[in-house]
Amino acid sequence: DQQVKQNSPSLSVQEGRISILNCDYTNSMFDYFLWYKKYPAEGPTFLISISSIKDKNEDGRFTVFLNKSAKHLSLHIVPSQPGDSAVYFCAASDRVRATNKLIFGTGTLLAVQP
Amino acid sequence: GAGVSQTPSNKVTEKGKYVELRCDPISGHTALYWYRQSLGQGPEFLIYFQGTGAADDSGLPNDRFFAVRPEGSVSTLKIQRTERGDSAVYLCASSPHGVGGETQYFGPGTRLLVL
Repeated sequence: DQQVKQNSPSLSVQEGRISILNCDYTNSMFDYFLWYKKYPAEGPTFLISISSIKDKNEDGRFTVFLNKSAKHLSLHIVPSQPGDSAVYFCAASDRVRATNKLIFGTGTLLAVQP
Repeated sequence: GAGVSQTPSNKVTEKGKYVELRCDPISGHTALYWYRQSLGQGPEFLIYFQGTGAADDSGLPNDRFFAVRPEGSVSTLKIQRTERGDSAVYLCASSPHGVGGETQYFGPGTRLLVL
């Protein structure tokens, strides 16, 4: 039972263009969502998060959008840079009913072409 | 400020053997988490410690898996009678207090291969 889904295993984008990574979830109790970035042989690194009371959060080149009715969130990277090439994981948590454990998607491999 | 460290970085063992994986969290972090990442999957929650006690062990797959954090800092994940299906990257993370919404800081992981 995959509660957090990333249906695109990979994405290739030209440097300077926008990267859009998508994530869907099924559990309506999730109230906090995060994006982590992972380089090979390293642990995931926190990128950006959003609470369910918001529909957008922005941090520099990174913006996360949340559509609660569709149970969908997306990460926009503008402009994309070659150093952004990594695996991006969407994660969710239920802060009220559950401990701070994170439920992760399967990841999307982003390749930014110079 | 060192980050989360994990040892060993790689472990190869034979089916049926016992292994221990160690995690050193960020100093002062009371919350510690173990996750397992199998090939092609995202990290999967195993267990969460608040201080010395396991606050949530709902992700441990069976009783061959056990984890301890006796002094509230270093944690050890123990796997008995290893099986080939246990092969994965075992990730440890820590956060300052364990409250909802805190950023979890991950270590580089231990790559376990069971032959």
